[in-house]
Amino acid sequence: QSALTQPRSVSGSPGQSVTISCTGTSSDVGGYNYVSWYQQHPGKAPKLMIYDVTKRPSGVPDRFSGSKSGNTASLTISGLQAEDEADYYCCSYAGSSTWVFGGGTKLTVL
Amino acid sequence: EVQLVESGGGLVQPGGSLRLSCAASGFTFSTFRMTWVRQAPGKGLEWVANIKQDGTEKYYVDSVKGRFTISRDNAKNSLYLQMNSLRAEDTAVYYCAQSNWNYLGGYWGQGTLVTVSS
Repeated sequence: QSALTQPRSVSGSPGQSVTISCTGTSSDVGGYNYVSWYQQHPGKAPKLMIYDVTKRPSGVPDRFSGSKSGNTASLTISGLQAEDEADYYCCSYAGSSTWVFGGGTKLTVL
Repeated sequence: EVQLVESGGGLVQPGGSLRLSCAASGFTFSTFRMTWVRQAPGKGLEWVANIKQDGTEKYYVDSVKGRFTISRDNAKNSLYLQMNSLRAEDTAVYYCAQSNWNYLGGYWGQGTLVTVSS
């Protein structure tokens, strides 16, 4: 149950696109299409942004998109806005009804 | 509107026990898996435990196995986490989350802080 690997921080200017990676193994990210992404603003609860690698819950802007290649999943945010500044966490099913999160990435909008 | 409200957090000495509760409303509680996730101060999210809709299946992260017990009362729309033999490293905000078979947290509570310290 080792944490998935995410970059500690990424940044971008308003209107630009940024991509956050999430690297695991064939026992988690690579083995299942159950990768989800969560946004967390300081002092707030996490919010589901992407599930099943690519799907968006209702209400999540289509500026947020997900993908996966091999053992690495990615979250792309296009048309960056100031309110996107937050921490982002990936999460993957890891088999035997267990789950693992990434260490989190701090997104700064310059 | 889905609401999840955690309670029961506080300061406890190492080796002590605490029982967290999560009151659910705004959805049919008995039809959803439920999950506890924690976040140590300044750290990332960690999956702690989850429980099937009828309470028959429960799963835990290795670090809490044998010390924590997740349970639910569908008649009371409530989720619980009994935490025994608490350690300093269990200090965290504990969130309850409505789950599905393919993701952990569709909706989250606001969290309750557990501090383990002498």
